[in-house]
Amino acid sequence: GAGVSQSPRYKVAKRGQDVALRCDPISGHVSLFWYQQALGQGPEFLTYFQNEAQLDKSGLPSDRFFAERPEGSVSTLKIQRTQQEDSAVYLCASSPRALTGANVLTFGAGSRLTVL
Amino acid sequence: GDSVTQMEGPVTLSEEAFLTINCTYTATGYPSLFWYVQYPGEGLQLLLKATKADDKGSNKGFEATYRKETTSFHLEKGSVQVSDSAVYFCALRANSGGSNYKLTFGKGTLLTVNP
Repeated sequence: GAGVSQSPRYKVAKRGQDVALRCDPISGHVSLFWYQQALGQGPEFLTYFQNEAQLDKSGLPSDRFFAERPEGSVSTLKIQRTQQEDSAVYLCASSPRALTGANVLTFGAGSRLTVL
Repeated sequence: GDSVTQMEGPVTLSEEAFLTINCTYTATGYPSLFWYVQYPGEGLQLLLKATKADDKGSNKGFEATYRKETTSFHLEKGSVQVSDSAVYFCALRANSGGSNYKLTFGKGTLLTVNP
């Protein structure tokens, strides 16, 4: 596609439910990132994939968060037993190459998760 | 660790006014610096970037100069338009070290331009 596509755009979950957020990066993009943007804050790094390999998951807040990219294209961010503090916009971004220096990312519009 | 501090908003201006949004950073070495813009309901878009000291990034009438001596990357525009209303994020990425793929963002500055 022309851009990075994320779904669902909006998700309301009851506390304790599991959710799955999907990211379709630009076709052929090697690098894929997930960021979390809490209300009134800047995005914060969650995890980084290069093709299907998850090279860095140091930003995942807890073991309830899990991300995968099994075929090196579509990625899913899964949150188990959601808590109210998980409410945020989850941003996916991709880049055509392994990301260093000034290479730029293309961001999706985000998935807004609200946990009641 | 790396950090970005940008001026808190919201900022409200009249059309054709001059805009400055301050941004300072803390980082090891010489990071690349970015300004991203987020229009309502849309994803982050790169507005401009600079990769080394004294570089000036520019786009759509916006400018920012990489000032190593003051560790700053202030965003300026000479004459804002209503369509510039958005949230602006300053960000950096390290150019060396093991995590030179992560973007570190400021908290964002909401700009509203009134006609």
